[in-house]
Amino acid sequence: NAGVTQTPKFRILKIGQSMTLQCAQDMNHNYMYWYRQDPGMGLKLIYYSVGAGITDKGEVPNGYNVSRSTTEDFPLRLELAAPSQTSVYFCASSWGQDNQPQHFGDGTRLSIL
Amino acid sequence: GNSVTQMEGPVTLSEEAFLTINCTYTATGYPSLFWYVQYPGEGLQLLLKATKADDKGSNKGFEATYRKETTSFHLEKGSVQVSDSAVYFCALSNTGFQKLVFGTGTRLLVSP
Repeated sequence: NAGVTQTPKFRILKIGQSMTLQCAQDMNHNYMYWYRQDPGMGLKLIYYSVGAGITDKGEVPNGYNVSRSTTEDFPLRLELAAPSQTSVYFCASSWGQDNQPQHFGDGTRLSIL
Repeated sequence: GNSVTQMEGPVTLSEEAFLTINCTYTATGYPSLFWYVQYPGEGLQLLLKATKADDKGSNKGFEATYRKETTSFHLEKGSVQVSDSAVYFCALSNTGFQKLVFGTGTRLLVSP
């Protein structure tokens, strides 16, 4: 089982560049999430989706956009990269009930210079 | 609002020592509680969970009991191994949309 697959694993961007972080899951989960992990800060929710065509902001959405055209895919878009967006990004998926776990990808390490 | 507080790390132990990582939470209602583990270079994996008061979650020798009276969910293991070296995250969910709230993580280092 592939689970949650994120690409790329590493990327270096220049300030002002744009890029899309890809996330795909093969578990037919309705719920998908994007988090960022900064050192010593735990994980912060950026955006989430409860199904195809439905997205909503999390705790730290500024500077990011998402779309959900299919159940499987949930890309995260950085339009104008800033040094503050240097972080490790994790995608996750779940069935959505509070008592069910989220399944995480291996992350994308992004540096903006 | 909802929040999770974990003990500061790193926690450094010798192999076969007893482990406790403290976790307390603030939440309305009856949250579900989770411990996730992150090994170097990997994403988070569910370690164990508890969904109601007095439930005990357990996996791979790790245990945690949901204590509503003390709003705690402390992680314990009787005898740690070098392979347990990782970062451990306590988390809760009670929004109905399964939006996890994470603690800041505790790094565990186990030496032979």
